[in-house]
Amino acid sequence: GENVEQHPSTLSVQEGDSAVIKCTYSDSASNYFPWYKQELGKGPQLIIDIRSNVGEKKDQRIAVTLNKTAKHFSLHITETQPEDSAVYFCAASTGRQLTFGSGTQLTVLP
Amino acid sequence: DAGVIQSPRHEVTEMGQEVTLRCKPISGHDYLFWYRQTMMRGLELLIYFNNNVPIDDSGMPEDRFSAKMPNASFSTLKIQPSEPRDSAVYFCASNLSGANVLTFGAGSRLTVL
Repeated sequence: GENVEQHPSTLSVQEGDSAVIKCTYSDSASNYFPWYKQELGKGPQLIIDIRSNVGEKKDQRIAVTLNKTAKHFSLHITETQPEDSAVYFCAASTGRQLTFGSGTQLTVLP
Repeated sequence: DAGVIQSPRHEVTEMGQEVTLRCKPISGHDYLFWYRQTMMRGLELLIYFNNNVPIDDSGMPEDRFSAKMPNASFSTLKIQPSEPRDSAVYFCASNLSGANVLTFGAGSRLTVL
């Protein structure tokens, strides 16, 4: 089955700096790659996703890039703010099921 | 829509007791998923349903776990008997056929003493 690895497990950045989280996947048939943000005491919430026919997607301060040849994808957050502090999960899917990475605890320091 | 609704939000029980977690998916969504989240294993898919029919239960850890979906607006995850290693946050999520976007509930935090 699919295996998704996510790095780093923790990340601290100064407010206003950029943050990058990276994931690799094993199944070349995976074609959908979402990113979820989980705040304390809440369920994961989709923040951005990308499909295999697209190399990059942006939504305001967040962007995701996908390299299908290398089987890795990354989340980029620019101009980080305190409210960006949360756990971020990447995931990969070949169809209906999502396989999640282990999560990255992002802390934005004021 | 109020989103995916889970109850209870917190449950503390003793080993050996039966635990029932409940979920109401978003109206109109035809897929429902149960996930378990722990520090050690992250987010694990336990089982998912399509149109109230279980499709894949390969993630259910053992026979002590069972899930049902009697209608399109309600699902339960039952653990009987519960054990301390079942302590985790259990999430329900739903989506619409043809759309990958998964909407999660707020989760049920289970503590088995």
